[in-house]
Amino acid sequence: ETGVTQSPTHLIKTRGQQVTLRCSSQSGHNTVSWYQQALGQGPQFIFQYYREEENGRGNFPPRFSGLQFPNYSSELNVNALELDDSALYLCASSSGGANTEAFFGQGTRLTVV
Amino acid sequence: GESVGLHLPTLSVQEGDNSIINCAYSNSASDYFIWYKQESGKGPQFIIDIRSNMDKRQGQRVTVLLNKTVKHLSLQIAATQPGDSAVYFCADRQWTGNQFYFGTGTSLTVIP
Repeated sequence: ETGVTQSPTHLIKTRGQQVTLRCSSQSGHNTVSWYQQALGQGPQFIFQYYREEENGRGNFPPRFSGLQFPNYSSELNVNALELDDSALYLCASSSGGANTEAFFGQGTRLTVV
Repeated sequence: GESVGLHLPTLSVQEGDNSIINCAYSNSASDYFIWYKQESGKGPQFIIDIRSNMDKRQGQRVTVLLNKTVKHLSLQIAATQPGDSAVYFCADRQWTGNQFYFGTGTSLTVIP
């Protein structure tokens, strides 16, 4: 176990709805990154939060947004869901230093119908 | 853009044999690399990492080799076991960056 927990584990939403996914980082980690993993693909970077500030963003539209709280837990929000948003959403926490490993949670499986 | 790819999408090995999974990356600014194992329905699990100032690093039953000249790294698993069956990803990060770039993955199947 990595100590990174995500909720919920599975979720089904309708196209056009909004969704919030949650992540609790490993104790002592102040950096949380979110990734989207489509079926049969490697994870794709969405964005990273470091000490409650966004610290980098991948090639995802603005309807993907996030938050990090003082306890370093994080939320990923997706508005106006599209069918292609169906994927496994992964949260990874790290200590934020250069060249440090990132530990992943089990992910949230989002299905948009 | 960044490109991290794997040479073989699938690999089957006999239990007890050694496995070698290869990965190519394209960004010469990448200086930190991680191998992850992902089992079905689970998140990626850290296996081993290597920094660009090294060319080899060993763990328990695993060895990672890095060849910066040809931008290639490999994961060697000794005495492969059925529990090693999973998808393996290499990921890299640049010194100035904050995101990992993942390849598509190699599916390893261990035949008992």
